[in-house]
Amino acid sequence: AQSVTQPDIHITVSEGASLELRCNYSYGATPYLFWYVQSPGQGLQLLLKYFSGDTLVQGIKGFEAEFKRSQSSFNLRKPSVHWSDAAEYFCAGDTSGTYKYIFGTGTRLKVLA
Amino acid sequence: EAGVTQFPSHSVIEKGQTVTLRCDPISGHDNLYWYRRVMGKEIKFLLHFVKESKQDESGMPNNRFLAERTGGTYSTLKVQPAELEDSGVYFCASSHPRGLARVTDTQYFGPGTRLTVL
Repeated sequence: AQSVTQPDIHITVSEGASLELRCNYSYGATPYLFWYVQSPGQGLQLLLKYFSGDTLVQGIKGFEAEFKRSQSSFNLRKPSVHWSDAAEYFCAGDTSGTYKYIFGTGTRLKVLA
Repeated sequence: EAGVTQFPSHSVIEKGQTVTLRCDPISGHDNLYWYRRVMGKEIKFLLHFVKESKQDESGMPNNRFLAERTGGTYSTLKVQPAELEDSGVYFCASSHPRGLARVTDTQYFGPGTRLTVL
């Protein structure tokens, strides 16, 4: 069955430290992959997306993600975290024709001052 | 351009009552989706409209849930009668009409409606 897994439920990092949030997928074909962020009281905001081509994708707010087919992963990274990055992050996948996004369970990021 | 809006932001009702959630998609977006997140679980697909037609309602939990999109603009999701397990956050999303390029399929989400059934 198709699935998206986010192994880390909570992650805490210090402000200024680097960040990597993990996302693994299980699909028969290469899925289209997305990272969304939800800040408190806000909706889901699209950070970046991978459809095809360059496996390193740049997004908003200084985030990037790398698609690795061999590891079935699409990890989100940021070189230096800001306090305003504290939020919940969701990885999602979609395959052509379904329209149904499959989400991971989310990773809640806490940033220490 | 206004984003996807949802109303109300919060709703607290008692078991057995009826609640109606509303979603206004981004103007020009023919595709509208409903998702739900139950506490601690992943966000799950409920259904998909293309204009006023239900394209896929395979994620709807049971017949207590009724979604409509009259006129192909805003959508409502009614829960009648509500049960305790219906509590969660209901998200609405919309996307452009599907074209030749997949990039038009990105779904834009609203802030969600937090439903609490007591």
